[in-house]
Amino acid sequence: EVQLVESGGGLVQPGRSLRLSCTASGFSFGVYGLGWFRQVPGKGLEWLGLIRSKAYSETPEYAASVKDRFTISRDDSKSIAYLQMNSLRTEDAAVYYCTRLNKLGSSWDIDAFDFWGQGTMVTVSS
Amino acid sequence: DIQMTQSPSSLSTSVGDRVTITCRASQTIYHYLNWYQQKAGKAPNLLIFGASSLQSGVPSRFSGSGSGTDFTLTISSLQPEDFATYYCQQSYSYPYTFGQGTKLEIK
Repeated sequence: EVQLVESGGGLVQPGRSLRLSCTASGFSFGVYGLGWFRQVPGKGLEWLGLIRSKAYSETPEYAASVKDRFTISRDDSKSIAYLQMNSLRTEDAAVYYCTRLNKLGSSWDIDAFDFWGQGTMVTVSS
Repeated sequence: DIQMTQSPSSLSTSVGDRVTITCRASQTIYHYLNWYQQKAGKAPNLLIFGASSLQSGVPSRFSGSGSGTDFTLTISSLQPEDFATYYCQQSYSYPYTFGQGTKLEIK
């Protein structure tokens, strides 16, 4: 069974850092990309970025809203993905989800996020 | 950035109804369109990928269509467990973007 479990959320002061972890199980971690999303309770979904597998050079991509502040990385030996968040702002408060990125479709060319963790809450407040 | 616009934002419906949700992209995204369902307090769940392909395990009452800029998600006969919020998402170009969501409510 595919499982993704986020951890590391909590209360942090503005300007500080936090690192979220996403521990995966039930699939060949190194073969897949990973994505990160967030959602303010009651609001819509926001894509933050992704990191591809080694076969795709582990290239990370980021949303403009977090580029230069957030860093996505992965440790295939531990089946863990990370979201390092620096210089946090009050507007970064949200539920953060990690997801598995799969390439689907008859040509395996469609990026889709087919498994999601349960989410971890990040609160940014002084 | 590609803007995704869903309509309606909310819909009061009944069990057994046929429901159609539309999603429009601000530029062509070909078939790079996914649909997700999110129930209250839960993570999203992939329903449809590539505009029209049903994800494994998703009931056949869900279907997707469209290409280019205009897409639809159809639920042929609404079931009690389908009352949720639905999002479209484009994976044609970065940043990947979502529609604002369509909430299905019980009439």
